[in-house]
Amino acid sequence: DGGITQSPKYLFRKEGQNVTLSCEQNLNHDAMYWYRQDPGQGLRLIYYSQIVNDFQKGDIAEGYSVSREKKESFPLTVTSAQKNPTAFYLCASCRQGGYYGYTFGSGTRLTVV
Amino acid sequence: AQSVAQPEDQVNVAEGNPLTVKCTYSVSGNPYLFWYVQYPNRGLQFLLKYITGDNLVKGSYGFEAEFNKSQTSFHLKKPSALVSDSALYFCAVRDYGGATNKLIFGTGTLLAVQP
Repeated sequence: DGGITQSPKYLFRKEGQNVTLSCEQNLNHDAMYWYRQDPGQGLRLIYYSQIVNDFQKGDIAEGYSVSREKKESFPLTVTSAQKNPTAFYLCASCRQGGYYGYTFGSGTRLTVV
Repeated sequence: AQSVAQPEDQVNVAEGNPLTVKCTYSVSGNPYLFWYVQYPNRGLQFLLKYITGDNLVKGSYGFEAEFNKSQTSFHLKKPSALVSDSALYFCAVRDYGGATNKLIFGTGTLLAVQP
């Protein structure tokens, strides 16, 4: 079955560490997105990518970095510069055209310990 | 600027009663509208969309939504609520401001269905 896979499901980070969240899709979708979700809040866009080797900052990109070396993969690194990284992170993908909406992964819950 | 609003943080309804979750939008072009549902600690799941055509759109799990152009609304409805419908619901609209695939999400409405 085609889908979008996020790993790990739970991740714990120590202060000052960088961590990388994985997002892989086998849907042949061109565009991929990373969102952050905090309790009681909606989705906030971190980064997005429309094509391989290109990506744009979203609304809250500070303290995060991404790469898009392959169409299938869009990993997110949460750097030590992100002062409040504890949140639920969602990856999504979609086809070009705007008609189809997103397919979401099941999320990664990141906790700073 | 494109935007979408969900005016209610929470909607409470008794099982078996009809439910409505409200959404209004503001876009510069033809609206492409979507509803998603999120269960605890899960990703968002697609429910339905309006692109063009019939104003009443039917989707998954018995949900439907009515597109109203004059009121710029896209309310989610279900004739008879189930306890299992309790979840967080997001309305979204296509962003015409740049990347044409990007969606703008509302803040979400928590639906609580009491048995």
